[in-house]
Amino acid sequence: QKEVEQNSGPLSVPEGAIASLNCTYSDRVSQSFFWYRQYSGKSPELIMSIYSNGDKEDGRFTAQLNKASQYVSLLIRDSQPSDSATYLCAVDGSSNTGKLIFGQGTTLQVKP
Amino acid sequence: DAGVIQSPRHEVTEMGQEVTLRCKPISGHNSLFWYRQTMMRGLELLIYFNNNVPIDDSGMPEDRFSAKMPNASFSTLKIQPSEPRDSAVYFCASSPLNRDRGAFFGQGTRLTVV
Repeated sequence: QKEVEQNSGPLSVPEGAIASLNCTYSDRVSQSFFWYRQYSGKSPELIMSIYSNGDKEDGRFTAQLNKASQYVSLLIRDSQPSDSATYLCAVDGSSNTGKLIFGQGTTLQVKP
Repeated sequence: DAGVIQSPRHEVTEMGQEVTLRCKPISGHNSLFWYRQTMMRGLELLIYFNNNVPIDDSGMPEDRFSAKMPNASFSTLKIQPSEPRDSAVYFCASSPLNRDRGAFFGQGTRLTVV
């Protein structure tokens, strides 16, 4: 089992819709969770972090964490063509000083 | 702050040659990560350092790969000898020791071994 798993996609949504991206992780003691966005040919860019169960909102982005189910998700409201990118889920290990492991990423396509 | 700086941005080398990739982390960051990204395998963690000390190198593919961090502002990843299957984008990232703000990536080095 991979440490961090994501559906590779592509996930295609129309402009203005809600895009839902999902991630599961295997290390139950993980404490910090991150979503990165990576445009083609560019480096990953941090867009959201979450540490506690529940929802965390930042503009059009909402991260959701369920530690009991070992599940993290990212919702993008009012999706724009400029949101088209690969979204990477990253998980930090115990004590927040361990490995920072990434999933394979989900490619999102927002169609005008 | 200039961010994480990697060099070179592109490297083309012949099989069997030694390759050295360089990274300057963000000033004040205590952790440094080396990742390799390919289409097939995604973003793989090769090695990471806390306070210049290698903590986990279990992701280093084989003995041909080595990494050093002689001080807080510089790290190298060396491949000797290089092989075509090492072709990938290599990223360096840094973060504070308490990674509440996540890790910040350099622009990457695109390595092609022919």
